[in-house]
Amino acid sequence: KNEVEQSPQNLTAQEGEFITINCSYSVGISALHWLQQHPGGGIVSLFMLSSGKKKHGRLIATINIQEKHSSLHITASHPRDSAVYICAGNNNDMRFGAGTRLTVKP
Amino acid sequence: GAGVSQSPSNKVTEKGKDVELRCDPISGHTALYWYRQRLGQGLEFLIYFQGNSAPDKSGLPSDRFSAERTGESVSTLTIQRTQQEDSAVYLCASTKPPGAGVGEQFFGPGTRLTVL
Repeated sequence: KNEVEQSPQNLTAQEGEFITINCSYSVGISALHWLQQHPGGGIVSLFMLSSGKKKHGRLIATINIQEKHSSLHITASHPRDSAVYICAGNNNDMRFGAGTRLTVKP
Repeated sequence: GAGVSQSPSNKVTEKGKDVELRCDPISGHTALYWYRQRLGQGLEFLIYFQGNSAPDKSGLPSDRFSAERTGESVSTLTIQRTQQEDSAVYLCASTKPPGAGVGEQFFGPGTRLTVL
């Protein structure tokens, strides 16, 4: 069993839909990262959080430390949101989830 | 300012040769990470530096892999006697202070290594 589990593996949505990607972890971490990997391969950090909730534009990330669970939400999804979303637990090293491939159709 | 840069962007080598990959982090970033991503697979942590020291080298896949960092700046990842299974994109990321092993990661564009 992976130390960081993401679901779903693949997600197809229609433009405008509300999207949720989930991440559960079984290891102790100091922070949880959400990353976006574009189709060309470039990786961008979306959020780093250790408690509560963060919001940036249409993206919202939450974390529940007690339940060892985090969610990434995208409101009013758009085709340009199509990418692989990766969660990772950070405690000096980084433990990655397998990623969620999101496709948003116009 | 400039982001994290890596060189070369692509490297093709023959099995058994040594390769050296370079990462230039963002100036002033104290922590630096190396990752690997094989084709169609997820990210793997290799090693991280806090300053010039690497507290945990257990992520390196084998003793053919080594990394160093000098001047709290540039880092090199060296793979000796490359094997075909080393083919992957090698990514570097740096974090701004306080770093200390946890921080927002700024990723480089990666080096695509192909071992023939």
